[in-house]
Formats: sequence, C-alpha cells, structure tokens
Amino acid sequence: QQQVKQSPQSLIVQKGGISIINCAYENTAFDYFPWYQQFPGKGPALLIAIRPDVSEKKEGRFTISFNKSAKQFSLHIMDSQPGDSATYFCGGGSNYKLTFGKGTLLTVNP
Amino acid sequence: KAGVTQTPRYLIKTRGQQVTLSCSPISGHRSVSWYQQTPGQGLQFLFEYFSETQRNKGNFPGRFSGRQFSNSRSEMNVSTLELGDSALYLCASSFSASGGNEQFFGPGTRLTVL
Repeated sequence: QQQVKQSPQSLIVQKGGISIINCAYENTAFDYFPWYQQFPGKGPALLIAIRPDVSEKKEGRFTISFNKSAKQFSLHIMDSQPGDSATYFCGGGSNYKLTFGKGTLLTVNP
Repeated sequence: KAGVTQTPRYLIKTRGQQVTLSCSPISGHRSVSWYQQTPGQGLQFLFEYFSETQRNKGNFPGRFSGRQFSNSRSEMNVSTLELGDSALYLCASSFSASGGNEQFFGPGTRLTVL
C-alpha cells in the first residue's frame, strides 16, 4: 500500500523558473509533512516541513502548500537554480516513522 | 555539531552471509531510525529506537534486526543475506522524544550482495 504518492517522477525546468512537485497521502494520522533533498552519493537532507494545522510555509525560495481536506501538499521552488538539481522526496510522519513518496528527479537547465 | 555518521560506507557480501551496520546519531539525539533505499521501492522504514527501545517497526522480514545502546548509537543486522538486500541503508537521528519526526540522515551504507 503506497501511502504517499508523489508526482511527477521527473521534472525539467529552466533556470529562473518555478519547480512544482506534488504529493498526496492516504494516512490521516500523519501529523508532519517534510520535504527532503538528496544529491547523488549523499543522504537525504531536510529541506522544509509543515504541520497539518498550517496551509503554507515559506523558507527562502522554498514553499510548501498544504491542503488538508484534499490530503495533498506540494513543494514550490521559486527562481530554480542548476544547484537545485537533485531528487526530492515528500513524506508523512506519524508514530515515530516517516513514509516517503518515490521521489522526483529535478533537473534545472542553465 | 557533527552530523549522523555511518560505518562502513561500503560493504560487499555474498548471499547467506550476515552483516552489521553502525550508526552514531547527532550529539544529544536519542531517537535513531533506519531506512532502506532502493531504486525500485524508494525509501522504506525499517525500525526506530529511542532509549534502547524499539518503538516502531516496518514491514521487513525478521532477518532484519536492530538495537540501540545506552549512548544512543545504533546497529542494524541483516542475517542470511539475499540478492534483494542490496541497497543503501540510511540511518536518521532525531532529538524529539515525542515523535522523532524531524529526522536528520547520515550518508548511508551501500550494501552490495553478490
């Protein structure tokens, strides 16, 4: 049972553009929704996270939009840069564990 | 502050062998979680420990086991290795006692089973 569905699998964006990655979850017990960024050969790094009582959270160029009724959330990367090229994972957290989406490979062309 | 460290970084084993991986959490973090990452299945939760107690476990066979020591360091063991166990094994630590949700990952141990 895939509890977190992430789309798209891959995304190509031009430098300066907006990257948008979407996730949908099934488990209403999730009370924490993080986004992680992973570069090849590295472990995932926490990028930004949100709790379900908040509809939006912004940190620099990264914004999470959260829709509790639709059980969906998304990551927006403004002014995307080549250095943002990485794999991004969304997750849902509850009961001491994180459940992840399958990941989105983002490529930002210069 | 030093991050999560994992040893060894790379391992090559043959089918039927067993392996032990080690994780040292960020100083002050008492929760340690383990994940398996593969291209096909993505990141999958193995188990989580807090104060030497396993609080949650994922859907993996009993060949996968773990433990945590009093200094919060953790080990995971895989017995009777199978080809499908080839993966990147990631350890994550968290400060939170209540949920362990804000997790910080180590670089992982790349296990290859031949």
